[in-house]
Amino acid sequence: GQQLNQSPQSMFIQEGEDVSMNCTSSSIFNTWLWYKQDPGEGPVLLIALYKAGELTSNGRLTAQFGITRKDSFLNISASIPSDVGIYFCAGRLIQGAQKLVFGQGTRLTINP
Amino acid sequence: EAGVAQSPRYKIIEKRQSVAFWCNPISGHATLYWYQQILGQGPKLLIQFQNNGVVDDSQLPKDRFSAERLKGVDSTLKIQPAKLEDSAVYLCASGGRYQLKTQYFGPGTRLLVL
Repeated sequence: GQQLNQSPQSMFIQEGEDVSMNCTSSSIFNTWLWYKQDPGEGPVLLIALYKAGELTSNGRLTAQFGITRKDSFLNISASIPSDVGIYFCAGRLIQGAQKLVFGQGTRLTINP
Repeated sequence: EAGVAQSPRYKIIEKRQSVAFWCNPISGHATLYWYQQILGQGPKLLIQFQNNGVVDDSQLPKDRFSAERLKGVDSTLKIQPAKLEDSAVYLCASGGRYQLKTQYFGPGTRLLVL
């Protein structure tokens, strides 16, 4: 089936550092979503992107929909302890049933 | 606005037993999804309902999994008989008519099959 390659798989950073993660695919998507999942909870939507080239911010988070529609990235600036968690990208395919396909996740750990 | 509700939150069963999960979506949301999330992976769609009709169940193992949404509101997902590899978190999500491009997730049911 369709696959999203999310990288890195894990990150260990110092508090205050900036973070960057991305998702790539060989398929074309019409929507990119970024979620954060805390332990024992379901994913929570952070940012939704609907157009190629779109750059959207949500506080310290910024995400972009790649021009080719096959990739997206998420940046977190000035990380704080509550940013710890697993971040997932998800894309909605431009063809077919339009279901969401998820990446494998990026686990973010922050050293105070 | 209340979120997506799921129960139970945890379930431990032995292989070959049956189990059922319940989901109540956000009020007014027509679309309901069941996902399976195996440890260390992203969620994988099992089935999508639009009102009480099935839109996509291509990844549902139909020999053992079944789901229904009889009145177009809440939904149940059943596994019978369970296998060891069914151990996972089962997430329910819902989306409204004008929120076709976003989904809101419940807290999930953690299933352990021994």
